[in-house]
Amino acid sequence: DAGITQSPRHKVTETGTPVTLRCHQTENHRYMYWYRQDPGHGLRLIHYSYGVKDTDKGEVSDGYSVSRSKTEDFLLTLESATSSQTSVYFCAITGDRNTGELFFGEGSRLTVL
Amino acid sequence: GNSVTQMEGPVTLSEEAFLTINCTYTATGYPSLFWYVQYPGEGLQLLLKATKADDKGSNKGFEATYRKETTSFHLEKGSVQVSDSAVYFCALSDHSGGGADGLTFGKGTHLIIQP
Repeated sequence: DAGITQSPRHKVTETGTPVTLRCHQTENHRYMYWYRQDPGHGLRLIHYSYGVKDTDKGEVSDGYSVSRSKTEDFLLTLESATSSQTSVYFCAITGDRNTGELFFGEGSRLTVL
Repeated sequence: GNSVTQMEGPVTLSEEAFLTINCTYTATGYPSLFWYVQYPGEGLQLLLKATKADDKGSNKGFEATYRKETTSFHLEKGSVQVSDSAVYFCALSDHSGGGADGLTFGKGTHLIIQP
């Protein structure tokens, strides 16, 4: 067990509302990641963090922001949710920096109506 | 940029059949290669990995060999079980970001094993 928890696990919201997903790790890992999973697209990287207050954009960062004020927490925010952001969101931490292997959380299913 | 291409499913097999899921990649340098498995309603779990050419990763009866000459990492299992039904993702890490850039994933292959 890699010690990653995501919350909430399920959320339904309406277009235009703000949403924050939380990823919490107990492993004291430096690197954390947010991915989204969609049918026909696999997993795509949204944002990642390489330390407290150090973040960078991934492949599909438009419409998302992140924050990391503590090593253990990495927050993903949708400032104004749209239906195209309906997805399953996965947080991950680096399991082995030499190989790049990641450990994943159980996912947060977001539905934007 | 980096990319991973894998056969999309669903792939439907009978129990005890031989399984091959093809995966090819494009990357700079010498990537590490992975297969992840996702069971219904769960997150991704690492199934196996290989970090250099000709390495063979294996786990739970699954195998994949890192073939640099064909840029491939095909997943195989000799005799599948109903419990192997899941979505399988091929992925790579190219290390160019010092390990910080995460993994590049294929689109996933949905495997269905019928009794």
